[in-house]
Amino acid sequence: DGGITQSPKYLFRKEGQNVTLSCEQNLNHDAMYWYRQDPGQGLRLIYYSQIVNDFQKGDIAEGYSVSREKKESFPLTVTSAQKNPTAFYLCASSITGGTLAEAFFGQGTRLTVV
Amino acid sequence: AQSVTQLDSQVPVFEEAPVELRCNYSSSVSVYLFWYVQYPNQGLQLLLKYLSGSTLVESINGFEAEFNKSQTSFHLRKPSVHISDTAEYFCAVSDRANFGNEKLTFGTGTRLTIIP
Repeated sequence: DGGITQSPKYLFRKEGQNVTLSCEQNLNHDAMYWYRQDPGQGLRLIYYSQIVNDFQKGDIAEGYSVSREKKESFPLTVTSAQKNPTAFYLCASSITGGTLAEAFFGQGTRLTVV
Repeated sequence: AQSVTQLDSQVPVFEEAPVELRCNYSSSVSVYLFWYVQYPNQGLQLLLKYLSGSTLVESINGFEAEFNKSQTSFHLRKPSVHISDTAEYFCAVSDRANFGNEKLTFGTGTRLTIIP
């Protein structure tokens, strides 16, 4: 089945540690996105990529890093510089950049700092 | 800059009753408008979208939304809700100025709870 796979579903991290969230898609989509979801705040864009080996900062990129070495993969690293990393993280992809093409979302990763 | 306001954070509705989820936006340019639905512990799914043409758009599961430019609104309605409609609903906007490079701005969401 085609879709977007995020792993793991739940992730615990100690303060001061970096952690990487995985996002893989087999939809042959060019564009991929990372969003952060907090209760009562909706979704906020962290990073997005419209093509391999290129990505742009979203609205809340500080404390995060990404790479796009392969079309199918867009991992997100939450660094120790991110002051409040506990949140629900959603990855999405679309056939092209922009919103005219429907974005497909993964099931999310819930990150908790302990 | 654009923004989206969903005034109702929670809406409880009896089964088979009608519902309206409100969405207002602000933008200095023309916009595209979207409603996404999120079921518990899942990602988001596109419910419906307004790009151009008829201001009334419909989804396959009975929801509809009407774009009202003068009131800068895009309210979501359903004449008779079902238990399976229990979910969180997000309104989103993107501006038309950056064709092919638009980015979505989401509202804070409305949690719809259907009461049997």
